[in-house]
Amino acid sequence: AQKVTQAQTEISVVEKEDVTLDCVYETRDTTYYLFWYKQPPSGELVFLIRRNSFDEQNEISGRYSWNFQKSTSSFNFTITASQVVDSAVYFCALSEEGYNTNAGKSTFGDGTTLTVKP
Amino acid sequence: EAGVTQFPSHSVIEKGQTVTLRCDPISGHDNLYWYRRVMGKEIKFLLHFVKESKQDESGMPNNRFLAERTGGTYSTLKVQPAELEDSGVYFCASSSSDRYYGGETQYFGPGTRLLVL
Repeated sequence: AQKVTQAQTEISVVEKEDVTLDCVYETRDTTYYLFWYKQPPSGELVFLIRRNSFDEQNEISGRYSWNFQKSTSSFNFTITASQVVDSAVYFCALSEEGYNTNAGKSTFGDGTTLTVKP
Repeated sequence: EAGVTQFPSHSVIEKGQTVTLRCDPISGHDNLYWYRRVMGKEIKFLLHFVKESKQDESGMPNNRFLAERTGGTYSTLKVQPAELEDSGVYFCASSSSDRYYGGETQYFGPGTRLLVL
């Protein structure tokens, strides 16, 4: 069975601070995919990033960066110089690959609510 | 290109009534998923369509929930009769894959907020 844990329920920072959102996952598969989604106050889920289990390179996209470490089963997300517009709920998700019927669905963590204060 | 759309955006019904949610996936996406987030908890998988076929419905909570995807285009999720614990946000997602074995990026709709009183 797959599981995603986002231990931080809520985080509050002041604008321009750096913040890291933790994500720890469990899976028995050797091939899997990890995702981060952002849910702003408007409610939609916005796709941020997808990584496969064979690619441990860290990724940077503007102020966003992701640290994937298979040794600790973690896929953490860092926002540098946070802004008020970063305030949202962030979800980490895991999807397994395989030719079985339950491949494809994503398992989500509980989400981390990030509040960035001006 | 239009994203995933869902209708209605909000629905408030009384216990025992019926509600039908609709999802229009991104054009050309064969995979369609329904998820639900209840009471601020995790987003939970309900079911997965590949075209018009149900690939995986292991997450459907009980037989009060019925999902259809006639013609492999839009999908409906009917709750009949609705119970208080059905309140939550229902998300639909779609993805494009000709392999159907997972890992593809799912694009989500804005969700339908359902409140059962």
